[in-house]
Amino acid sequence: SQKIEQNSEALNIQEGKTATLTCNYTNYSPAYLQWYRQDPGRGPVFLLLIRENEKEKRKERLKVTFDTTLKQSLFHITASQPADSATYLCALDIRGPGGGADGLTFGKGTHLIIQP
Amino acid sequence: DVKVTQSSRYLVKRTGEKVFLECVQDMDHENMFWYRQDPGLGLRLIYFSYDVKMKEKGDIPEGYSVSREKKERFSLILESASTNQTSMYLCASSSHPRGETQYFGPGTRLLVL
Repeated sequence: SQKIEQNSEALNIQEGKTATLTCNYTNYSPAYLQWYRQDPGRGPVFLLLIRENEKEKRKERLKVTFDTTLKQSLFHITASQPADSATYLCALDIRGPGGGADGLTFGKGTHLIIQP
Repeated sequence: DVKVTQSSRYLVKRTGEKVFLECVQDMDHENMFWYRQDPGLGLRLIYFSYDVKMKEKGDIPEGYSVSREKKERFSLILESASTNQTSMYLCASSSHPRGETQYFGPGTRLLVL
């Protein structure tokens, strides 16, 4: 069955450093991968989408890489700030029987803590 | 600005009650989704809908039903609430025919006693 793995342990990073989060998947070939941010008691908020034919995507201090050979995506936050503390979820498209995607399947998320 | 709203932020119900969770989006999105989120289990898809009056089962549909009478509104129904349905319920919508970016509501934290 399809499986998405994110580091379940909290990641503690010093303010100003680069935080790197990992998303690994098995038994699947997604057309794209997404990253979401979730704050306690809130719904996830979309951050970035990267397609299977893209190696890297950037948005301000965020960078996502996508290695379809390793079946892995890395999510980087440069110059991290305490306000970046949250849970970050990766999500893959689900392929339906007809070949089209049928929504997303989410990893369990990694809790990131940026310490001042 | 994209907006998905859910009828309640917090809800307390008794075992056996019928529970309605409402979700409304104002973006004219075709697709709407219901998830539940539990510690250690992550987000799990309950039901989704690609069009009015259309519904598809997700990964954990047992004990739930849905209704989509209008494009902007997607309701999740717990026919007879049980304690194991205590959870955070999240609604989402998207514009692409399949998947792509989903916009989430703030969530409803349901406690079944």
